[in-house]
Amino acid sequence: KNQVEQSPQSLIILEGKNCTLQCNYTVSPFSNLRWYKQDTGRGPVSLTIMTFSENTKSNGRYTATLDADTKQSSLHITASQLSDSASYICVVSASHSASKLTFGTGTRLQVTL
Amino acid sequence: GAGVSQSPSNKVTEKGKDVELRCDPISGHTALYWYRQSLGQGLEFLIYFQGNSAPDKSGLPSDRFSAERTGGSVSTLTIQRTQQEDSAVYLCASSLNPRGLDNEQFFGPGTRLTVL
Repeated sequence: KNQVEQSPQSLIILEGKNCTLQCNYTVSPFSNLRWYKQDTGRGPVSLTIMTFSENTKSNGRYTATLDADTKQSSLHITASQLSDSASYICVVSASHSASKLTFGTGTRLQVTL
Repeated sequence: GAGVSQSPSNKVTEKGKDVELRCDPISGHTALYWYRQSLGQGLEFLIYFQGNSAPDKSGLPSDRFSAERTGGSVSTLTIQRTQQEDSAVYLCASSLNPRGLDNEQFFGPGTRLTVL
């Protein structure tokens, strides 16, 4: 069964600090992995996409890594800002499926002063 | 507009009533998806449209749920005889292509449904 597990479930950090969110998946055959950011009351927005051959990709202060051998991904946020407070969702696409993405339940991040 | 829009943004209804939720995808996006997000839960896939046809309806939780898409654009999700457990945020997304690197799904803001 295709699954995506994320940790931690929630996280509180001080503004300016760094943090790393984890994603483990069992989706097969693997096509790509995206990290989405979902602000409260809004729909998710894609931050990064990674394919099998990529092991790191950055988008501003967000850096995603992928280890396709261990089926793990991480999202590192550098110099956090209050606006980073949101849920971060790991989403994995299987190459045989046009419709079903496998969503993690997300990590809720709160950045405080 | 430039993004996916959904209406209404909020809907409160009484148990047993029917509701219709609307989604306007990004122009030119052939794939359209409906999801349900309950409080503290991950996104639950409901149905996928490619053009006007729905090759995957496997996520619809019961026969009270139905959806249609017309003109390869607007989609309507209908819930008949609503129950309290239907209360959730219903998200619509569209993508240029359903597979490959163009499969990024662009989400609407959602419709928050509350069944009293």
